[in-house]
Amino acid sequence: GAVVSQHPSWVICKSGTSVKIECRSLDFQATTMFWYRQFPKQSLMLMATSNEGSKATYEQGVEKDKFLINHASLTLSTLTVTSAHPEDSSFYICSARVSRQGPRHGYTFGSGTRLTVV
Amino acid sequence: QKEVEQNSGPLSVPEGAIASLNCTYSDRGSQSFFWYRQYSGKSPELIMSIYSNGDKEDGRFTAQLNKASQYVSLLIRDSQPSDSATYLCAVSRANFGNEKLTFGTGTRLTIIP
Repeated sequence: GAVVSQHPSWVICKSGTSVKIECRSLDFQATTMFWYRQFPKQSLMLMATSNEGSKATYEQGVEKDKFLINHASLTLSTLTVTSAHPEDSSFYICSARVSRQGPRHGYTFGSGTRLTVV
Repeated sequence: QKEVEQNSGPLSVPEGAIASLNCTYSDRGSQSFFWYRQYSGKSPELIMSIYSNGDKEDGRFTAQLNKASQYVSLLIRDSQPSDSATYLCAVSRANFGNEKLTFGTGTRLTIIP
């Protein structure tokens, strides 16, 4: 089946530093990647939609200068949390839709990255 | 009103019984409906997708959709302890393409041995 590989699976960083999270589609081309954030005991909140070769579309309330998204190829999208602060500590998950399986299939999720800012 | 609403639970069901999970949505333009299972600390995994009114069965799982009532449900038959997880309902406005998913807050299901 379609696999989205996400790295790192967990990261601890100091306040003020930047962290990059990568998502790769391993056996399909993902023209669009979705980035979610999930706080403890809450649901997934869409942060932005990443489109290959163009600027990402951010959801209302998400700072585009803080959460930098790059989708330079059909198999790789990255999310960089810049100047991270403790309130950015969360579970970040990427997702893509596998269009080659036909339009009526669900979205495949990466394994997630647990970010802890200390 | 939330776009996608679920009872947060926890929902406790004896092993072997039927677990019934419900979801309502507010956007009448919604076309695609999904149920995801999420274990603690893990990312969601797709259980079922449904696009047309009625029932769709896959093994022990049955998804039900009623667009007129803006209601979608998931039934789990012969519940197993491994079914204990949070179940997320998600909807999309598109049948195809790369339209975003909107998630409910999830229902925490516990199967009691």
